[in-house]
Amino acid sequence: GAVVSQHPSWVICKSGTSVKIECRSLDFQATTMFWYRQFPKQSLMLMATSNEGSKATYEQGVEKDKFLINHASLTLSTLTVTSAHPEDSSFYICSARVRGIAYEQYFGPGTRLTVT
Amino acid sequence: QKEVEQDPGPLSVPEGAIVSLNCTYSNSAFQYFMWYRQYSRKGPELLMYTYSSGNKEDGRFTAQVDKSSKYISLFIRDSQPSDSATYLCAMSAPGGSYIPTFGRGTSLIVHP
Repeated sequence: GAVVSQHPSWVICKSGTSVKIECRSLDFQATTMFWYRQFPKQSLMLMATSNEGSKATYEQGVEKDKFLINHASLTLSTLTVTSAHPEDSSFYICSARVRGIAYEQYFGPGTRLTVT
Repeated sequence: QKEVEQDPGPLSVPEGAIVSLNCTYSNSAFQYFMWYRQYSRKGPELLMYTYSSGNKEDGRFTAQVDKSSKYISLFIRDSQPSDSATYLCAMSAPGGSYIPTFGRGTSLIVHP
């Protein structure tokens, strides 16, 4: 149980285009989902927290107009990187919190984004 | 000072060794303590969690929390090459909606 999927697993796009990444909790309901960014050999950097049906809460320094997050249902959240630039190239990971259990947070396999 | 400190390593051990991974923290409000394992180019996998102080054992893994010292540990017995990964500690507090704060991870290499 407690499986989180992410799609796509990797994507290459041209500078200026937008990319959407999906995150799904497959076998549980997730009232809260998180989006992280990770650089090589670095820890996870929290970008935003989203609760189902409400606007995402972005961490300081994260551009909300560039990284659009939608949490439309208890099992799906999306991250759209708009007008992507090479500096947006990174490993993006989502995680989902099991409903009602604060400490159980499960991660997706990650999406590697390369912007050329 | 960061809220959670974790030595990035790498830590290289021979197969069969007992591995000790550690984190220190500064926020006394942390109540939940988690350990994640992350293989290269994969998402982190929750290994164990502990509430407050004490020990928890799961197979070859033992998690320890010492709240008085603000120090947590993960022990791996009979380490295997398949244990080679980055291990991240994480901790959360009720005041922060239990959003976990992560350490930067320790890279572990178990060589045959």
